[in-house]
Amino acid sequence: RKEVEQDPGPFNVPEGATVAFNCTYSNSASQSFFWYRQDCRKEPKLLMSVYSSGNEDGRFTAQLNRASQYISLLIRDSKLSDSATYLCVVMENQGGKLIFGQGTELSVKP
Amino acid sequence: GAGVSQSPRYKVAKRGQDVALRCDPISGHVSLFWYQQALGQGPEFLTYFQNEAQLDKSGLPSDRFFAERPEGSVSTLKIQRTQQEDSAVYLCASSPSGSIYNEQFFGPGTRLTVL
Repeated sequence: RKEVEQDPGPFNVPEGATVAFNCTYSNSASQSFFWYRQDCRKEPKLLMSVYSSGNEDGRFTAQLNRASQYISLLIRDSKLSDSATYLCVVMENQGGKLIFGQGTELSVKP
Repeated sequence: GAGVSQSPRYKVAKRGQDVALRCDPISGHVSLFWYQQALGQGPEFLTYFQNEAQLDKSGLPSDRFFAERPEGSVSTLKIQRTQQEDSAVYLCASSPSGSIYNEQFFGPGTRLTVL
């Protein structure tokens, strides 16, 4: 079993749709969680950190459920520019190495 | 200021060739990470430096892979006797310190193709 697992995708949605990505992780001791965005043939970039209390940044909302070891990302009112691969990431407590999920590809269509 | 830079951006190697991939982290960043990203997959950890010390090399796939950061700034990832399964994008990331709370900034990657 992979340490971080995501919905395989791809997700094809119309502009304005709400889309949700889910992710589970296996190490119950993990403390830091993130969503990264990766555009085609580009490097990953931090989208947002994920906190237990949930956090929101504009149209993006991230949630963490430690009991279920489950992380989610909700994108509301999706835009064409949201088209990218979304990577669920867990940081190892010692040293800070990042453990990535496979990534979920999102394509927003007009 | 400048971000993380990597060179070359693209490298084509014949099977059995040795290659060297360079990473220039953001100036002053203490921590440096190497990741390997195969097509359609998320990046996978290879190795980690804090200054010049290689603190974790558990992700290196075989003893053909070697990384160094002799002066605590620029790092080189060397792959000896390349094989087709080494074809991937090699990403370098740096962060200000060893704290787990620091964001890692990624370079554009080196796309290695082994024929």
